[in-house]
Amino acid sequence: EPEVTQTPSHQVTQMGQEVILRCVPISNHLYFYWYRQILGQKVEFLVSFYNNEISEKSEIFDDQFSVERPDGSNFTLKIRSTKLEDSAMYFCASIGTSGSPGELFFGEGSRLTVL
Amino acid sequence: SQQGEEDPQALSIQEGENATMNCSYKTSINNLQWYRQNSGRGLVHLILIRSNEREKHSGRLRVTLDTSKKSSSLLITASRAADTASYFCATGPMYNNNDMRFGAGTRLTVKP
Repeated sequence: EPEVTQTPSHQVTQMGQEVILRCVPISNHLYFYWYRQILGQKVEFLVSFYNNEISEKSEIFDDQFSVERPDGSNFTLKIRSTKLEDSAMYFCASIGTSGSPGELFFGEGSRLTVL
Repeated sequence: SQQGEEDPQALSIQEGENATMNCSYKTSINNLQWYRQNSGRGLVHLILIRSNEREKHSGRLRVTLDTSKKSSSLLITASRAADTASYFCATGPMYNNNDMRFGAGTRLTVKP
């Protein structure tokens, strides 16, 4: 069964460092997302991406964050200068349908720990 | 806000009992979905109900939607220990039915 894959599964970084989280969505999917979940808390929307551009972003997704789909398969989330409060699980998700509502397919997440 | 809010925050039941979780939201929606998350794992889609539907079933799952009250419920019948997980509702807005927003979830514990 096709799946969304994310790397790394866990990354530890120092405050102020740049981090890139990678995702390979399901190949024929059209919409791509990043969500974040601070331990034990709600799943927060960060950004949606469609047709090679950002469709919508939340207040969390400030200038420190960026997304790219450089080669038609990978979908990356970059945090330019990490803060302690960026420590969380970051989930990539994708949807295949256009027009009708569809289910989100999630990756297993990348745990980011900022020291 | 658009996102759903689940209650209760935590629910503990015995195996074989039914579990009911509720979700409320504030703005008009196109659809509402329920997801499950095992500890430390990604979310898995359970069921989708459109705004013009009132009830939907899938195996031991029953979802209802009341758009006049802006609420939904998820019923898991004959629960099993393996149903232990967090359950989230997610709402899709009218303007873009794919931009789902999640609530804080209900942590369900099913004791064997």
